Amino acid sequence: AQTVTQSQPEMSVQEAETVTLSCTYDTSESDYYLFWYKQPPSRQMILVIRQEAYKQQNATENRFSVNFQKAAKSFSLKISDSQLGDAAMYFCAYKDGNQFYFGTGTSLTVIP
Amino acid sequence: DTGVSQNPRHKITKRGQNVTFRCDPISEHNRLYWYRQTLGQGPEFLTYFQNEAQLEKSRLLSDRFSAERPKGSFSTLEIQRTEQGDSAMYLCASSLLPTQFNEQYFGPGTRLTVT
Repeated sequence: AQTVTQSQPEMSVQEAETVTLSCTYDTSESDYYLFWYKQPPSRQMILVIRQEAYKQQNATENRFSVNFQKAAKSFSLKISDSQLGDAAMYFCAYKDGNQFYFGTGTSLTVIP
Repeated sequence: DTGVSQNPRHKITKRGQNVTFRCDPISEHNRLYWYRQTLGQGPEFLTYFQNEAQLEKSRLLSDRFSAERPKGSFSTLEIQRTEQGDSAMYLCASSLLPTQFNEQYFGPGTRLTVT
């Protein structure tokens, strides 16, 4: 079965600094998609960034970028110029076929 | 586009009672997913629909759980004879197929507390 591992339950970053959240996954598939979702306190999950496994180029969305290492099955999220509004739980998710598999999340605190 | 909505947002019930939750997906989305999220965990897949057809169910979905999407629009998730272990956040998500990513858009969730 596919599994997604987020080894950092909590992370903190100083405002305006850069932080990297780690994610690894296990799969035998070659074609799949990876996502990072953000879940602010008491608010719904929103998509931050996504990546196709067949693309070598790392996805970027404004201050958010990923480091996708397919051979290592690693998919880390880098947040640049961190803002107070970035404070949330971040979930890494893997999709092949019809199902999504989520990690246990990383709680990010942004220190003013 | 009002996004995915879920009702109620919170539900407190006594063990043994039945509860029903509703999810209204984004209007043109043909896929609808139900997840359960417990404290400190990521969402766990329960089931999904394509239009009105329920295509897959997780082993997590015991016989006490049933989901419907009668007209391919809103969906309901019913839990019969609730147990304390059913206490969790129940999330609904919708997506549009066919699209490249089939990314999901989540609702705010229904928090169930079984006393």
